[in-house]
Amino acid sequence: DTGVSQDPRHKITKRGQNVTFRCDPISEHNRLYWYRQTLGQGPEFLTYFQNEAQLEKSRLLSDRFSAERPKGSFSTLEIQRTEQGDSAMYLCASSLVGRGVEKLFFGSGTQLSVL
Amino acid sequence: GQQVMQIPQYQHVQEGEDFTTYCNSSTTLSNIQWYKQRPGGHPVFLIQLVKSGEVKKQKRLTFQFGEAKKNSSLHITATQTTDVGTYFCAGVGSGGSNYKLTFGKGTLLTVNP
Repeated sequence: DTGVSQDPRHKITKRGQNVTFRCDPISEHNRLYWYRQTLGQGPEFLTYFQNEAQLEKSRLLSDRFSAERPKGSFSTLEIQRTEQGDSAMYLCASSLVGRGVEKLFFGSGTQLSVL
Repeated sequence: GQQVMQIPQYQHVQEGEDFTTYCNSSTTLSNIQWYKQRPGGHPVFLIQLVKSGEVKKQKRLTFQFGEAKKNSSLHITATQTTDVGTYFCAGVGSGGSNYKLTFGKGTLLTVNP
């Protein structure tokens, strides 16, 4: 169990650029979540996958955000035409459904700064 | 949509004092989880409560789930400096087939040694 890993740890970009983040979940976990967190706030749900299927996407998420989990393993989150308001910590979490308590294991996050 | 509120937002205590954070949901929950986030770290799972009125203990931490399954609390007895961090409750709404944890804003606990 190597934990949930996210790449990159930090990303600085200019407004209007596209960015992509990667998340590698714990290998046997079948659910993968994306959350966004700003300073002093709790994690805000963005979307989640069960295996490769995207089951829910937050209504707060604009069309500039897209996430994929092509083979039910790693996932990517892309933000197009970034805005300063997108600056936040993007957290990925994974879990295993069907074996008792579904607890989320979070990665260390990708800190995005949009200049 | 479902909202989860936590109070207080901040709590500063002297080491050895007790601490309590409260969580309230706008809707009935199927279960509630608690997470701890150390400064500069990521949220780490502490516990899940499922049953109405449930009480669970982990050493100095006591977790409660309300009878109506709309509120919860975390109580820490005799705080230590290692308890420093932000404590989040996160609820799953009852009904529906999708599992989505909605987090509160958290309570930041600081402990003066």
